[in-house]
Amino acid sequence: EDQVTQSPEALRLQEGESSSLNCSYTVSGLRGLFWYRQDPGKGPEFLFTLYSAGEEKEKERLKATLTKKESFLHITAPKPEDSATYLCAVRCSGNTGKLIFGQGTTLQVKP
Amino acid sequence: DAGVIQSPRHEVTEMGQEVTLRCKLISGHNSLFWYRQTMMRGLELLIYFNNNVPIDDSGMPEDRFSAKMPNASFSTLKIQPSEPRDSAVYFCASKNSEGYTFGSGTRLTVV
Repeated sequence: EDQVTQSPEALRLQEGESSSLNCSYTVSGLRGLFWYRQDPGKGPEFLFTLYSAGEEKEKERLKATLTKKESFLHITAPKPEDSATYLCAVRCSGNTGKLIFGQGTTLQVKP
Repeated sequence: DAGVIQSPRHEVTEMGQEVTLRCKLISGHNSLFWYRQTMMRGLELLIYFNNNVPIDDSGMPEDRFSAKMPNASFSTLKIQPSEPRDSAVYFCASKNSEGYTFGSGTRLTVV
């Protein structure tokens, strides 16, 4: 069964304290791994798509990496406005577009 | 581009009543997904359409749930009769070759 597991469930950082979020996946064939940010009361907002092991993408203080079994979202020198829930999702081969989501990591950055 | 628009934003209804959630897609997107988000289960796919045709409804909890896509830009999700365990945030998302875009969600409370 295709599965996505995120860790930790919650993370509290001081402003400027860098860290990483993990997304482990077990799928029959990967057609893309997606990272989303979700703020309270809002829908998921797209951050990155990664397609193959070794791929990396960056946006401001965020950098996403991908291996054959997991993805990391690295947050460098975070600011309070980075506080949100970060969701990882996979699109598997054999289906026509369905995304399977992890439970998310809720990040709180304190000033 | 107005994004994916969902209505209503909030819905409170009594158990046994019919509830209809609405979603307007981004122009040019050819796939639509309905997701449900709860604290316990995270984001779960209910049903998705491709070119107005339902492709996978295996996530629809039971016959009380139904979804339609009468044209390329609009979809409804109906729950009849509603039950307290249906309380959740319901998201729709549309997809094109670039990726997936989520609406802001409808928070449903069944009392």
